[in-house]
Amino acid sequence: AQRVTQPEKLLSVFKGAPVELKCNYSYSGSPELFWYVQYSRQRLQLLLRHISRESIKGFTADLNKGETSFHLKKPFAQEEDSAMYYCALSPHGSSNTGKLIFGQGTTLQVKP
Amino acid sequence: NAGVMQNPRHLVRRRGQEARLRCSPMKGHSHVYWYRQLPEEGLKFMVYLQKENIIDESGMPKERFSAEFPKEGPSILRIQQVVRGDSAAYFCASSPPGTEGNIQYFGAGTRLSVL
Repeated sequence: AQRVTQPEKLLSVFKGAPVELKCNYSYSGSPELFWYVQYSRQRLQLLLRHISRESIKGFTADLNKGETSFHLKKPFAQEEDSAMYYCALSPHGSSNTGKLIFGQGTTLQVKP
Repeated sequence: NAGVMQNPRHLVRRRGQEARLRCSPMKGHSHVYWYRQLPEEGLKFMVYLQKENIIDESGMPKERFSAEFPKEGPSILRIQQVVRGDSAAYFCASSPPGTEGNIQYFGAGTRLSVL
């Protein structure tokens, strides 16, 4: 079955602390993985995708096929990082379009 | 580019009525997706459409729900004879053709409340 799991509903850290939002997936093929973010009163937007290998707003995520994980990390959290974060999987790989399978989301709360 | 536009933002219906949710994709985008988010849950895929074609409707309930993306005009998600369990946020996303097609751009959503 195709599934994305974000085990933490809420992650609360202090400003300047490291952050790791966990994401595990279940898929037998070659997926494409994404992190989407929703800031307060804004629409859902793409943060990063694994094939880009970019760092966006200080966030990085590495696809670990052995552990089927795609954890999102940032070494020093900022208050403006407070938002809802969704991990998502595209079961069709990077060559096709199609549905996204989302995790349940993790609320990141960065305290001053 | 105004982004993906959804209307209405909020829709209230009584049980048994019909709900019509509209989505205008970003300019140049030919793929439209609909997702539903129930309270305390993540987004669940419903349907994927291209102009005049349903490509994947594996997430659509078998009854009462339908979707279209006509040659002209917005994509419509239609829910007939709504029930309380249909109360949710419905999100539309669009993506461009070609190699960037896996990046989906989301609308602000329509919150459906069934009384």
